[in-house]
Amino acid sequence: AIQLTQSPSSLSTSVGDRVTITCRASQGISSDLAWYQQKPGKPPKLLIYGASSLESGVPSRFSGSGSGTDFTLTISSLQPEDFATYYCQHFKSYPLTFGGGTKVEIK
Amino acid sequence: EVQVVESGGGLVQPGGSLRLSCVASGFTFSSYWMTWVRQAPGKGLEWVANINPDGSDKHYGDSVKGRFTISRDNAKNSLFVQMNSLRAEDTAVYYCARERVRPERFDSWGQGTLVTVSS
Repeated sequence: AIQLTQSPSSLSTSVGDRVTITCRASQGISSDLAWYQQKPGKPPKLLIYGASSLESGVPSRFSGSGSGTDFTLTISSLQPEDFATYYCQHFKSYPLTFGGGTKVEIK
Repeated sequence: EVQVVESGGGLVQPGGSLRLSCVASGFTFSSYWMTWVRQAPGKGLEWVANINPDGSDKHYGDSVKGRFTISRDNAKNSLFVQMNSLRAEDTAVYYCARERVRPERFDSWGQGTLVTVSS
């Protein structure tokens, strides 16, 4: 199975900061990667698919990049509602897997 | 509005069985892949299984293969997962989600249903 390693596992940051989360795949997955945001007690919400396509309705401060094995999710200017846990997921082959998550906390 | 609503969760003893359901609305259910994802308490997301639009193609995660069976009833806009030989480690919130293709992503999620496996 393809493993996805996210880093960092958590980070403390402030409103207005630029945040970058990385996701590394154990083998090449082309651009078959999605990013999700999850808040406590809520289901995940799709942010990015195809590594860099922004889901409809998601603010433009979110962006994704990368291909092959290395991917990033960037939040250009963190807003109060962005404090959450973020997950990457690949669709290259079965079984589908998620990264371990990155918790973004208030400093 | 696209909506998926899960049901059927509850407390079950180890070795027992449970069937979860997911009812979809707001889209043409029979045209979409559907998937189950679970999340153990305080843990990350784990993909469980998915099924193609006509139910002829199914895939499973390694931890549930041979114990769980995904199915669907397009006439009733419903998705199911039959869970047998349940273990304590199957305790989780189970989410139903719509799967889009090319490129793939899970774009609409339900609120989840909690399954607790305990004696």
